[in-house]
Amino acid sequence: EAGVAQSPRYKIIEKRQSVAFWCNPISGHATLYWYQQILGQGPKLLIQFQNNGVVDDSQLPKDRFSAERLKGVDSTLKIQPAKLEDSAVYLCASRNSGGNYNEQFFGPGTRLTVL
Amino acid sequence: GENVEQHPSTLSVQEGDSAVIKCTYSDSASNYFPWYKQELGKRPQLIIDIRSNVGEKKDQRIAVTLNKTAKHFSLHITETQPEDSAVYFCAASSGGYQKVTFGTGTKLQVIP
Repeated sequence: EAGVAQSPRYKIIEKRQSVAFWCNPISGHATLYWYQQILGQGPKLLIQFQNNGVVDDSQLPKDRFSAERLKGVDSTLKIQPAKLEDSAVYLCASRNSGGNYNEQFFGPGTRLTVL
Repeated sequence: GENVEQHPSTLSVQEGDSAVIKCTYSDSASNYFPWYKQELGKRPQLIIDIRSNVGEKKDQRIAVTLNKTAKHFSLHITETQPEDSAVYFCAASSGGYQKVTFGTGTKLQVIP
């Protein structure tokens, strides 16, 4: 079984530029999560999808961040414009929604550096 | 929303000793509590989890305990080895869609 795929693995941009991250979850996983992990901190949930619908985006800075999951499979997370404080690792995770307690599987992450 | 606190932030133990990491949560509706290990530059990996209807779970050298009344849960690692050195995160999950809130992490160093 293939794992969660993310690209790019690394990205360096200047502040006020735009950037997009891509995630391909494990096949059949209906739930997809985007997390922001700042160095030295735990992952912070940005947005959670169930199929192609958003079930939680309460911590997503909607003035600059957006995400979509067309067709309920792949997902993209966009930042426009980026700020210095957006420097972090962006982790995508997916979960099989067949039960209440199933494990999340994380992708390798995208390390974003904003200069 | 849920708030998960984790202590200590750093922990150094001698190889062979035990390590204990403690977490508290705020939302009584939380019903699933996973623990993740994250090595430097790598993704979080689930090492053990516990459901709210269970008080304790063990897997070889790793055990987790849950006290629902007090809203706290703990990770116990026995006979620590250098390869146990990593950052450990607790998390709490609730709701039909299982929203997950992570703790702040504990950096464990096992000294050979």
